[in-house]
Amino acid sequence: KAGVTQTPRYLIKTRGQQVTLSCSPISGHRSVSWYQQTPGQGLQFLFEYFSETQRNKGNFPGRFSGRQFSNSRSEMNVSTLELGDSALYLCASRAQGSPTEAFFGQGTRLTVV
Amino acid sequence: DQQVKQNSPSLSVQEGRISILNCDYTNSMFDYFLWYKKYPAEGPTFLISISSIKDKNEDGRFTVFLNKSAKHLSLHIVPSQPGDSAVYFCAATGNTGTASKLTFGTGTRLQVTL
Repeated sequence: KAGVTQTPRYLIKTRGQQVTLSCSPISGHRSVSWYQQTPGQGLQFLFEYFSETQRNKGNFPGRFSGRQFSNSRSEMNVSTLELGDSALYLCASRAQGSPTEAFFGQGTRLTVV
Repeated sequence: DQQVKQNSPSLSVQEGRISILNCDYTNSMFDYFLWYKKYPAEGPTFLISISSIKDKNEDGRFTVFLNKSAKHLSLHIVPSQPGDSAVYFCAATGNTGTASKLTFGTGTRLQVTL
């Protein structure tokens, strides 16, 4: 069973640009969550999508947005990039139903210069 | 406001000995707790979880203990092995694990020495 796949693995962008990150969940998983990991703040929840609908959202500005497609693949977009957006962005997929852990991808390392 | 805290940023343990990683939480709505292990440049890997209706859960060398009155949980690794060297994150969620949002601690870097 293939795991969670995130693309690209590494990305360098300039301040003011926008970026789109992609996540393919484990087959059969309909819930996809996004997290930001920075050295100072640890892992912080961005948002979760389930069946193409945003179900939960963390405390991030509106520059951070996402969507989910009918095949459960998800994209995350950050507009007007700032230096502080440099981080490891992690995607996690979960099976629906009873308590279960989230399975994480390897992440996309975004560097804003 | 850090709702899940891991107050020890690092821990060094000799191979074969017990590693004890600690985690405290403040939100009484949390009722499901998880431990993840993370190597550099990889995503976190699930280790073990515990529901608030239990006070202990064991899986091989890993045991998690939950003290609800103290809002404290700990992960015991016995015996510790060099391959256990990684960053360990404690995470919490509500609705007995069905809630989508995980709140993570800042992590504890475990180094297992020979």
